[in-house]
Amino acid sequence: QKEVEQNSGPLSVPEGAIASLNCTYSDRVSQSFFWYRQYSGKSPELIMSIYSNGDKEDGRFTAQLNKASQYVSLLIRDSQPSDSATYLCAAYNNAGNMLTFGGGTRLMVKP
Amino acid sequence: NAGVTQTPKFRILKIGQSMTLQCAQDMNHNYMYWYRQDPGMGLKLIYYSVGAGITDKGEVPNGYNVSRSTTEDFPLRLELAAPSQTSVYFCASRVEGGRGQPQHFGDGTRLSIL
Repeated sequence: QKEVEQNSGPLSVPEGAIASLNCTYSDRVSQSFFWYRQYSGKSPELIMSIYSNGDKEDGRFTAQLNKASQYVSLLIRDSQPSDSATYLCAAYNNAGNMLTFGGGTRLMVKP
Repeated sequence: NAGVTQTPKFRILKIGQSMTLQCAQDMNHNYMYWYRQDPGMGLKLIYYSVGAGITDKGEVPNGYNVSRSTTEDFPLRLELAAPSQTSVYFCASRVEGGRGQPQHFGDGTRLSIL
C-alpha cells in the first residue's frame, strides 16, 4: 500500500453541490494531514490541515479524519466553478520531516 | 514578505547541460524542500534540509545535488541534464517544530530538457 492514496478522478459535480474528496493512508505516516489545492500550472496552496479525529470546518470546506479506518476526507459545500482544480492530500512520515503526497484528485465543477 | 521565491520560472536545457535552480525564503524557516511534479502526478520529494549545513535525500535524489549554506537559500543543482528530468520543480519551506507544520510553496520552475 502506498503511504497516501487518492482516486485520480476526475470528479465532476454540478455547481452548488457538495464535492467529496477522499484519501487513504498507511501506518507509515503520522497523524498530521493536509489538503492542498492546485490550479493547472500553479503551485500547491494549503486549504486545510487536520490532526485530530473528527471534523474541522473552515468556511465552505470541512476536513474529516477517521483514524480507525485510516482515511481523510475533504468536503466542499456549495461548489463553485472556481473550485475546479486538483486537490492533493499529504501527510508527514512518522519522523515528521518528510511530507508525502497522494497523486491528487481532479475536481470539475460544472456551471 | 515575498515568501518562497524560485528562479528561473522557465528554462530549456540541452541534454548533458548543467544548471542550478534557485530557491530563497524570507520567513526564517529552518526546513526547506525540493519536489518535482511530472504531468498529472503528485509531488515527489528530491531533497530536503532541516537547517543550514544539513541536507538529506528524499524519494528521488538521483541526478540532483543540493547545498544549504544559509537559512534563506536552498539551491538545487542538475549536473548532467537528462530528458527524464523534464518536470516542474517546486521549492517549499516550513517552520521547525512538531509534525503539524504546513509547507509553503514557491511558484515553481518549469524545466524542459531536449
